[in-house]
Amino acid sequence: EAEVAQSPRYKITEKSQAVAFWCDPISGHATLYWYRQILGQGPELLVQFQDESVVDDSQLPKDRFSAERLKGVDSTLKIQPAELGDSAMYLCASSLDSGHLNTEAFFGQGTRLTVV
Amino acid sequence: GQQVMQIPQYQHVQEGEDFTTYCNSSTTLSNIQWYKQRPGGHPVFLIQLVKSGEVKKQKRLTFQFGEAKKNSSLHITATQTTDVGTYFCAGYTGTASKLTFGTGTRLQVTL
Repeated sequence: EAEVAQSPRYKITEKSQAVAFWCDPISGHATLYWYRQILGQGPELLVQFQDESVVDDSQLPKDRFSAERLKGVDSTLKIQPAELGDSAMYLCASSLDSGHLNTEAFFGQGTRLTVV
Repeated sequence: GQQVMQIPQYQHVQEGEDFTTYCNSSTTLSNIQWYKQRPGGHPVFLIQLVKSGEVKKQKRLTFQFGEAKKNSSLHITATQTTDVGTYFCAGYTGTASKLTFGTGTRLQVTL
C-alpha cells in the first residue's frame, strides 16, 4: 500500500541551528500539506501546496520557516534558526486533490523535533 | 480565520459505554472529515461527509453532518479498548482551500 514517506523520524537540534524535513507524498497526489502538532493539540496547518504552488501559508512563520515543492512532487520544510518553541511533531500529508471531493489526507509517520 | 472546536476535550469511559464527540466550525464547511490518531501514531482518515444532514455509519461508529454544515458529531456505540485514541474532525470552507483540523477529543476506554 502506498505511503507518505517522511525523514528523519526524529531530530534533536540546538536552538539557533538550521533543520530540514523531507516528505515524499503518495504518487499522483497533487495536494501536499505540512502540519505542526504540539502534544495534546490538533494538527495546525503550516503550508498547503497544490502541485508546486502554495495554496495557503498564512500560519507559516515566514521569518524562520520556508517550504518548497519543486517539480510538484516531494517537499522540504526548513527552519532557520530553530527556537525552543519549535519542538513538536511535524506531519506531512497528501491527497489526490483539494477539489473537496477527493480530499482524504494520508499522513506520514511524522518527524519529531526537539530543540535544546 | 476559520476555527474548528471540539468538545469534550477528553472523555474516559468504561468498555461498553457509548461515546460522542461534537465538532463546531465558525464558518460553513463544504465537507467534514473525521480522523483517528492512536497514541504515538499519526492521524488516519475515517470518513468524509459532504451533504447537509448526512448520516453515515461504520459498524459501531455513526457520523452526522449538521443541516447548516457548521457542525458534526461522531458517536461510538458500546466502546471497546481498541477505540482508544484522539478523534479529530477536519474541514474545508467554501472560500478557503485549506484543510483545517479541530482541537480533538481524546478517548480513554478502560475495562
